[in-house]
Amino acid sequence: QKEVEQDPGPLSVPEGAIVSLNCTYSNSAFQYFMWYRQYSRKGPELLMYTYSSGNKEDGRFTAQVDKSSKYISLFIRDSQPSDSATYLCAMSANSGYSTLTFGKGTMLLVSP
Amino acid sequence: ETGVTQSPTHLIKTRGQQVTLRCSSQSGHNTVSWYQQALGQGPQFIFQYYREEENGRGNFPPRFSGLQFPNYSSELNVNALELDDSALYLCASSSGQGGETQYFGPGTRLLVL
Repeated sequence: QKEVEQDPGPLSVPEGAIVSLNCTYSNSAFQYFMWYRQYSRKGPELLMYTYSSGNKEDGRFTAQVDKSSKYISLFIRDSQPSDSATYLCAMSANSGYSTLTFGKGTMLLVSP
Repeated sequence: ETGVTQSPTHLIKTRGQQVTLRCSSQSGHNTVSWYQQALGQGPQFIFQYYREEENGRGNFPPRFSGLQFPNYSSELNVNALELDDSALYLCASSSGQGGETQYFGPGTRLLVL
């Protein structure tokens, strides 16, 4: 079992749809949870950063963390074609050094 | 504020050769982490440098080595290149050793023939 599981997709939605992206994990030591967006052949761009459980909202993006279920989500409201990218979840345990453990990424395609 | 930069952007090498990749960290950041991202996969942690010392290492062989300089820029060296080393190599900088946010550069795409 991989430490972080993420459905690779692709996930295809029409413009304006609400998108839900998810990751599950097995390591209960993870405390920091991040979502990165990666366009083709580019470096990952940080979208959301959450510590421990709870919700965080930033514009059209909402991140949720449920540590009891070892499950994190990213919601995108009013999706746009420019949101088409691969979304990577990442997490760290802060065990002396902040290595990030990533999921495989979910490819999102938003059609006009 | 200057972001994370990496050079070169692309590189083609043959099996058995050696390669050096470079990274300049974001202004104010003293920690650099290197990741390898194979096609269709998430980034895999190679190692991290904090104030010029290796501060942690992932499951990569010793032929992957690195350096961090007093200005916190960093190099990743790979010896005896193998075909499976073909990947996007990402550098990320952060401001400490803990759970602080890591900011990524654009990456160097390495192709080993």
